[in-house]
Amino acid sequence: DTAVSQTPKYLVTQMGNDKSIKCEQNLGHDTMYWYKQDSKKFLKIMFSYNNKELIINETVPNRFSPKSPDKAHLNLHINSLELGDSAVYFCASSQDFAAYEQYFGPGTRLTVT
Amino acid sequence: SQQGEEDPQALSIQEGENATMNCSYKTSINNLQWYRQNSGRGLVHLILIRSNEREKHSGRLRVTLDTSKKSSSLLITASRAADTASYFCATDRGAQKLVFGQGTRLTINP
Repeated sequence: DTAVSQTPKYLVTQMGNDKSIKCEQNLGHDTMYWYKQDSKKFLKIMFSYNNKELIINETVPNRFSPKSPDKAHLNLHINSLELGDSAVYFCASSQDFAAYEQYFGPGTRLTVT
Repeated sequence: SQQGEEDPQALSIQEGENATMNCSYKTSINNLQWYRQNSGRGLVHLILIRSNEREKHSGRLRVTLDTSKKSSSLLITASRAADTASYFCATDRGAQKLVFGQGTRLTINP
């Protein structure tokens, strides 16, 4: 019974392609996040949604567009992929915007060649 | 720039020994959290300490917070092979915007 799931787990694609990563949580949480972890293990927040509304939008290229069709799902679409986009992308959720503990998905390793 | 910086970057000890990891940060915070990441997995929340707390325990974990020095430490007592993982501190300045450090890679040798 996975709490936060992501698909795919691995994604290998060429520069210039468009790809999507999907995230689903079955915890009944209101808030969801996308993080990027680079090769040096730095983990940085990209976006946060609360009840399908965007609340955190860090300095991320416009090529990255999150979409939340409902509060259990937060997908990440990336246009015109670049080599520097290679990283592990983590989805996370928390009970609500005021909750502290975040629950992370297993990650999606994106490799752009 | 990263808010939290863990020290050391890597730590290798024998099973049964205690492991201490440190985290320093730069600005005032609401709370500080510690997470564990096993290889190839997502992060798992371990413990949270609020800015008005100095020490907190959870099982074999002990966390301290010194807001005057802007630092925190995570102590794992009686380490086990299963504790092998990367440990991250994350500072929360509000609005659920956690800022993570680079992590300490802990290896427990049998």
